[in-house]
Amino acid sequence: DVKVTQSSRYLVKRTGEKVFLECVQDMDHENMFWYRQDPGLGLRLIYFSYDVKMKEKGDIPEGYSVSREKKERFSLILESASTNQTSMYLCASSLYRAASEQYFGPGTRLTVT
Amino acid sequence: GQQLNQSPQSMFIQEGEDVSMNCTSSSIFNTWLWYKQDPGEGPVLLIALYKAGELTSNGRLTAQFGITRKDSFLNISASIPSDVGIYFCAGLGSNYKLTFGKGTLLTVNP
Repeated sequence: DVKVTQSSRYLVKRTGEKVFLECVQDMDHENMFWYRQDPGLGLRLIYFSYDVKMKEKGDIPEGYSVSREKKERFSLILESASTNQTSMYLCASSLYRAASEQYFGPGTRLTVT
Repeated sequence: GQQLNQSPQSMFIQEGEDVSMNCTSSSIFNTWLWYKQDPGEGPVLLIALYKAGELTSNGRLTAQFGITRKDSFLNISASIPSDVGIYFCAGLGSNYKLTFGKGTLLTVNP
Protein backbone atom coordinates (compact mmCIF):
# COMPACT_ATOMS: atom_id res chain seq x y z
CA ASP A 1 0.00 0.00 0.00
CA VAL A 2 1.11 3.53 -0.75
CA LYS A 3 1.77 5.52 2.36
CA VAL A 4 1.95 9.30 2.40
CA THR A 5 2.69 10.87 5.75
CA GLN A 6 2.59 14.49 6.83
CA SER A 7 4.63 15.82 9.71
CA SER A 8 1.79 17.34 11.71
CA ARG A 9 -1.97 16.80 11.87
CA TYR A 10 -2.62 20.12 13.59
CA LEU A 11 -0.51 23.26 13.69
CA VAL A 12 -1.10 26.69 15.18
CA LYS A 13 1.22 29.52 14.13
CA ARG A 14 1.33 33.26 14.54
CA THR A 15 1.11 35.80 11.72
CA GLY A 16 4.55 36.44 10.23
CA GLU A 17 6.07 33.14 11.31
CA LYS A 18 7.88 30.91 8.84
CA VAL A 19 6.08 27.58 8.58
CA PHE A 20 7.35 24.27 7.23
CA LEU A 21 4.99 21.46 6.28
CA GLU A 22 6.71 18.16 5.51
CA CYS A 23 5.45 15.29 3.40
CA VAL A 24 7.05 11.88 2.89
CA GLN A 25 5.98 9.04 0.59
CA ASP A 26 7.36 5.52 0.75
CA MET A 27 6.56 4.16 -2.73
CA ASP A 28 9.29 5.72 -4.86
CA HIS A 29 6.76 7.95 -6.63
CA GLU A 30 8.16 10.54 -9.01
CA ASN A 31 5.42 13.12 -8.56
CA MET A 32 4.43 14.99 -5.43
CA PHE A 33 1.78 17.66 -4.92
CA TRP A 34 0.63 20.19 -2.34
CA TYR A 35 -3.02 21.25 -2.18
CA ARG A 36 -5.03 23.38 0.16
CA GLN A 37 -8.67 22.63 0.88
CA ASP A 38 -11.18 25.25 1.94
CA PRO A 39 -14.95 25.03 2.39
CA GLY A 40 -16.75 25.96 -0.80
CA LEU A 41 -13.53 26.17 -2.80
CA GLY A 42 -12.58 22.51 -2.93
CA LEU A 43 -9.02 21.33 -3.51
CA ARG A 44 -6.64 23.81 -5.06
CA LEU A 45 -3.15 22.97 -6.30
CA ILE A 46 -0.37 25.06 -4.79
CA TYR A 47 2.82 23.48 -6.18
CA PHE A 48 3.92 20.19 -7.62
CA SER A 49 7.14 18.42 -8.46
CA TYR A 50 7.94 15.81 -11.11
CA ASP A 51 11.47 15.14 -9.95
CA VAL A 52 14.05 15.93 -7.31
CA LYS A 53 14.97 19.63 -7.21
CA MET A 54 12.24 20.34 -9.73
CA LYS A 55 9.08 22.34 -8.97
CA GLU A 56 6.21 23.86 -10.86
CA LYS A 57 3.60 26.37 -9.78
CA GLY A 58 0.06 25.23 -9.43
CA ASP A 59 -3.03 27.40 -9.44
CA ILE A 60 -2.38 29.36 -6.21
CA PRO A 61 1.38 29.55 -5.52
CA GLU A 62 1.44 33.07 -4.08
CA GLY A 63 2.77 33.17 -0.53
CA TYR A 64 4.21 29.66 -0.74
CA SER A 65 7.43 27.99 -1.78
CA VAL A 66 8.49 24.34 -1.93
CA SER A 67 11.58 22.21 -1.65
CA ARG A 68 12.31 18.73 -2.97
CA GLU A 69 15.84 17.69 -2.08
CA LYS A 70 15.08 13.96 -1.94
CA LYS A 71 12.66 11.93 -4.03
CA GLU A 72 10.55 10.83 -1.07
CA ARG A 73 10.21 14.22 0.62
CA PHE A 74 8.35 17.36 -0.48
CA SER A 75 8.20 20.39 1.79
CA LEU A 76 5.79 23.32 1.65
CA ILE A 77 7.06 26.59 3.10
CA LEU A 78 5.04 29.58 4.16
CA GLU A 79 7.66 32.33 4.26
CA SER A 80 5.53 34.68 6.38
CA ALA A 81 2.28 33.12 7.48
CA SER A 82 -0.89 35.15 7.19
CA THR A 83 -4.40 34.53 8.51
CA ASN A 84 -5.73 33.84 5.00
CA GLN A 85 -3.42 30.81 4.88
CA THR A 86 -5.45 29.12 7.61
CA SER A 87 -6.55 25.96 5.84
CA MET A 88 -6.30 22.20 5.50
CA TYR A 89 -3.11 21.30 3.60
CA LEU A 90 -2.97 18.01 1.73
CA CYS A 91 0.07 16.35 0.22
CA ALA A 92 -0.27 13.74 -2.54
CA SER A 93 1.98 11.60 -4.69
CA SER A 94 1.65 9.66 -7.92
CA LEU A 95 3.88 7.17 -9.65
CA TYR A 96 4.90 9.08 -12.77
CA ARG A 97 3.88 12.15 -14.74
CA ALA A 98 1.07 10.62 -16.79
CA ALA A 99 -0.23 8.57 -13.85
CA SER A 100 -3.50 9.94 -12.66
CA GLU A 101 -3.96 8.14 -9.36
CA GLN A 102 -2.83 10.48 -6.65
CA TYR A 103 -2.53 9.15 -3.11
CA PHE A 104 -3.11 11.62 -0.34
CA GLY A 105 -1.69 12.05 3.13
CA PRO A 106 -3.92 12.61 6.17
CA GLY A 107 -3.66 16.40 5.95
CA THR A 108 -2.38 19.18 8.20
CA ARG A 109 -4.93 21.56 9.67
CA LEU A 110 -3.03 24.87 9.92
CA THR A 111 -4.39 27.79 11.91
CA VAL A 112 -2.65 31.16 11.67
CA THR A 113 -3.59 33.60 14.42
CA GLY B 1 -9.13 26.46 -16.76
CA GLN B 2 -11.00 23.20 -16.71
CA GLN B 3 -13.90 22.95 -14.31
CA LEU B 4 -15.91 20.08 -12.96
CA ASN B 5 -19.52 20.41 -11.89
CA GLN B 6 -20.33 17.84 -9.23
CA SER B 7 -23.87 17.21 -8.07
CA PRO B 8 -25.60 17.04 -5.80
CA GLN B 9 -23.72 19.19 -3.30
CA SER B 10 -25.17 17.20 -0.43
CA MET B 11 -27.44 14.23 0.20
CA PHE B 12 -29.26 13.04 3.28
CA ILE B 13 -30.47 9.46 2.96
CA GLN B 14 -31.72 6.54 5.02
CA GLU B 15 -29.54 3.52 5.65
CA GLY B 16 -30.15 0.91 2.97
CA GLU B 17 -30.95 3.38 0.20
CA ASP B 18 -28.99 3.63 -3.03
CA VAL B 19 -27.08 6.80 -3.87
CA SER B 20 -26.11 8.39 -7.18
CA MET B 21 -23.87 11.35 -7.83
CA ASN B 22 -22.22 12.68 -10.96
CA CYS B 23 -19.65 15.02 -12.41
CA THR B 24 -19.80 16.86 -15.69
CA SER B 25 -17.27 18.94 -17.53
CA SER B 26 -17.08 21.13 -20.61
CA SER B 27 -13.70 19.53 -21.36
CA ILE B 28 -12.70 15.99 -22.23
CA PHE B 29 -10.81 13.97 -19.65
CA ASN B 30 -8.62 10.93 -20.19
CA THR B 31 -9.14 9.46 -16.74
CA TRP B 32 -11.80 9.84 -14.08
CA LEU B 33 -11.18 9.18 -10.40
CA TRP B 34 -13.50 9.00 -7.42
CA TYR B 35 -12.28 9.71 -3.88
CA LYS B 36 -13.90 9.62 -0.46
CA GLN B 37 -12.85 11.90 2.37
CA ASP B 38 -13.75 11.27 6.00
CA PRO B 39 -13.90 14.28 8.36
CA GLY B 40 -10.42 15.50 9.23
CA GLU B 41 -8.69 13.01 6.93
CA GLY B 42 -7.18 13.03 3.46
CA PRO B 43 -9.09 11.75 0.40
CA VAL B 44 -8.88 8.02 -0.27
CA LEU B 45 -9.02 6.71 -3.83
CA LEU B 46 -12.10 4.54 -4.43
CA ILE B 47 -12.26 3.89 -8.16
CA ALA B 48 -10.21 4.81 -11.24
CA LEU B 49 -11.67 4.80 -14.77
CA TYR B 50 -9.47 4.87 -17.86
CA LYS B 51 -11.67 4.35 -20.94
CA ALA B 52 -14.84 5.96 -22.24
CA GLY B 53 -17.81 3.73 -21.44
CA GLU B 54 -15.92 1.81 -18.76
CA LEU B 55 -17.99 0.55 -15.84
CA THR B 56 -16.05 -0.45 -12.72
CA SER B 57 -17.16 -1.77 -9.35
CA ASN B 58 -15.53 -1.79 -5.94
CA GLY B 59 -17.79 -3.61 -3.52
CA ARG B 60 -21.03 -1.66 -3.25
CA LEU B 61 -19.60 1.16 -5.35
CA THR B 62 -19.99 1.36 -9.11
CA ALA B 63 -18.61 4.11 -11.30
CA GLN B 64 -18.85 4.81 -15.01
CA PHE B 65 -16.74 6.83 -17.44
CA GLY B 66 -19.18 8.62 -19.74
CA ILE B 67 -19.12 7.91 -23.47
CA THR B 68 -18.52 11.58 -24.29
CA ARG B 69 -15.53 11.59 -21.86
CA LYS B 70 -17.05 14.68 -20.28
CA ASP B 71 -18.86 13.03 -17.40
CA SER B 72 -18.73 10.30 -14.79
CA PHE B 73 -21.15 8.74 -12.34
CA LEU B 74 -20.77 7.07 -8.95
CA ASN B 75 -23.42 4.84 -7.44
CA ILE B 76 -23.45 3.41 -3.93
CA SER B 77 -25.85 0.58 -3.28
CA ALA B 78 -27.44 -0.31 0.05
CA SER B 79 -25.82 2.54 1.96
CA ILE B 80 -24.53 2.01 5.50
CA PRO B 81 -23.58 4.57 8.19
CA SER B 82 -19.85 4.33 7.43
CA ASP B 83 -20.52 5.62 3.91
CA VAL B 84 -20.83 9.08 5.47
CA GLY B 85 -18.27 11.50 4.08
CA ILE B 86 -17.46 13.73 1.15
CA TYR B 87 -17.12 12.14 -2.27
CA PHE B 88 -14.97 13.85 -4.88
CA CYS B 89 -14.64 13.26 -8.56
CA ALA B 90 -11.42 14.20 -10.35
CA GLY B 91 -10.52 14.26 -14.01
CA LEU B 92 -7.11 14.03 -15.63
CA GLY B 93 -6.74 16.09 -18.78
CA SER B 94 -4.07 16.37 -21.42
CA ASN B 95 -2.02 18.70 -19.19
CA TYR B 96 -1.46 15.87 -16.65
CA LYS B 97 -3.16 17.87 -13.91
CA LEU B 98 -6.07 16.62 -11.89
CA THR B 99 -9.16 18.81 -11.76
CA PHE B 100 -11.38 18.16 -8.74
CA GLY B 101 -15.09 18.57 -8.25
CA LYS B 102 -16.27 20.47 -5.17
CA GLY B 103 -17.55 17.29 -3.54
CA THR B 104 -20.83 15.67 -2.51
CA LEU B 105 -21.48 15.51 1.24
CA LEU B 106 -23.26 12.27 2.06
CA THR B 107 -25.12 11.81 5.33
CA VAL B 108 -26.65 8.42 6.13
CA ASN B 109 -29.37 8.22 8.76
CA PRO B 110 -29.25 4.85 10.59
